[in-house]
Amino acid sequence: EVVLTQSPVTLSLSPGERATLSCRASQNVRSRSLAWFQQKPGQAPRLLIFGASNRATGVPDRFSGRGSWTDFTLIIDRLEPEDFAVYFCQQYDTSLIFTFGPGTKIDLK
Amino acid sequence: QVQLQESGPGLVKPSETLSLTCSVSGSSMMKFYWNWIRQAPGKGLEWVGYVNSSGNTNYNPSLKSRVSISIDTSKDQFSLELMSVTAADTAVYYCARTTYFADGSSYPFDFWGQGTLVSVSS
Repeated sequence: EVVLTQSPVTLSLSPGERATLSCRASQNVRSRSLAWFQQKPGQAPRLLIFGASNRATGVPDRFSGRGSWTDFTLIIDRLEPEDFAVYFCQQYDTSLIFTFGPGTKIDLK
Repeated sequence: QVQLQESGPGLVKPSETLSLTCSVSGSSMMKFYWNWIRQAPGKGLEWVGYVNSSGNTNYNPSLKSRVSISIDTSKDQFSLELMSVTAADTAVYYCARTTYFADGSSYPFDFWGQGTLVSVSS
């Protein structure tokens, strides 16, 4: 089973700053199998990025994803107030077993 | 507008079976994978399993011995049963849709229900 590790656990930033979130896999992950989600308190998660670098419908272009194999990154340029949330990476393997990372929380500095 | 809505008891006794249903509107059930995902209070996300429109299922290995997911396309619903529950199964349970393509790519969990809290307690 692929284990995803995210860092940092918490990221304290101000609006307008850039956020860089890391997701590392315990073994190689196909880029097309890697996604990122945003979750706000009391809400269901929202798909942001699929296939490692493709923005989902309606996602602002300040969100971007990159990476391959075991190292993936979510970048949020120019943080907006609504971006303060928890972010999860997620992957699935060839057996279609889905796993999530533990999450990174972006909070207000 | 695709909408998913979970329903079922909010309280289940230990050792009993947790049963939830997800009602789907605004989307055909064909060609999609229908998932259950849970989140224990203050914790991360855990994929429980999926069923597709053909009734094929796949489960989280850690839950496989206790879980069953089924689909009723005539009612636009799919359901979760989790047997022999303990306090560790207390969580918000979400249903969500995934599109999985023949080339191995996917558009994962693009629509979610609002989630329903299920507590396991006597």
